[in-house]
Amino acid sequence: SAVISQKPSRDICQRGTSLTIQCQVDSQVTMMFWYRQQPGQSLTLIATANQGSEATYESGFVIDKFPISRPNLTFSTLTVSNMSPEDSSIYLCSVRQGGGNTIYFGEGSWLTVV
Amino acid sequence: GNSVTQMEGPVTLSEEAFLTINCTYTATGYPSLFWYVQYPGEGLQLLLKATKADDKGSNKGFEATYRKETTSFHLEKGSVQVSDSAVYFCALRGVTDKLIFGTGTRLQVFP
Repeated sequence: SAVISQKPSRDICQRGTSLTIQCQVDSQVTMMFWYRQQPGQSLTLIATANQGSEATYESGFVIDKFPISRPNLTFSTLTVSNMSPEDSSIYLCSVRQGGGNTIYFGEGSWLTVV
Repeated sequence: GNSVTQMEGPVTLSEEAFLTINCTYTATGYPSLFWYVQYPGEGLQLLLKATKADDKGSNKGFEATYRKETTSFHLEKGSVQVSDSAVYFCALRGVTDKLIFGTGTRLQVFP
């Protein structure tokens, strides 16, 4: 399986600021995704990161709040904009390789907004 | 739409006890089914998977069988260890790449 690295692993952020999370994969992957896990909750898909084009967002998530880039087949970023305490969550990068049907996850970025 | 229902936790067991975590699903077609595990302070790891009816996924002593007739994918382990303490998520993947997760079940194993 692919090795997925996320930065930062943890951060404490001030209300109103923005933070960009990076996701680096050690091999080319077909699909990259961003999930959110709010405290004590399950995971929710934010968007699919499309290489070279705009991300595809799920209902309830918008580009202005969560801009996403994917410049190549191994790297993506998620920005959480104008943060509020409600954005305190774990943000997880995930990937699917080739024609496989398994989705693998990074270690997550644990954000606390104060 | 697709959905996953898991038994609520926490599940509290003594070491070497038998574990069952129930998972049922609703989906059109033939989804792939997964169990992921999240150890304290860590991200999500794939535990096992099954892609078609009657498939049995297994890993680290855990097993789950894809039962289409009962739309279930229950997770079992014959003898749990303290190190198995974690949150377990059942998930399905339908025709798209989107994973639909259950709410997660916290397992606590005591010596």
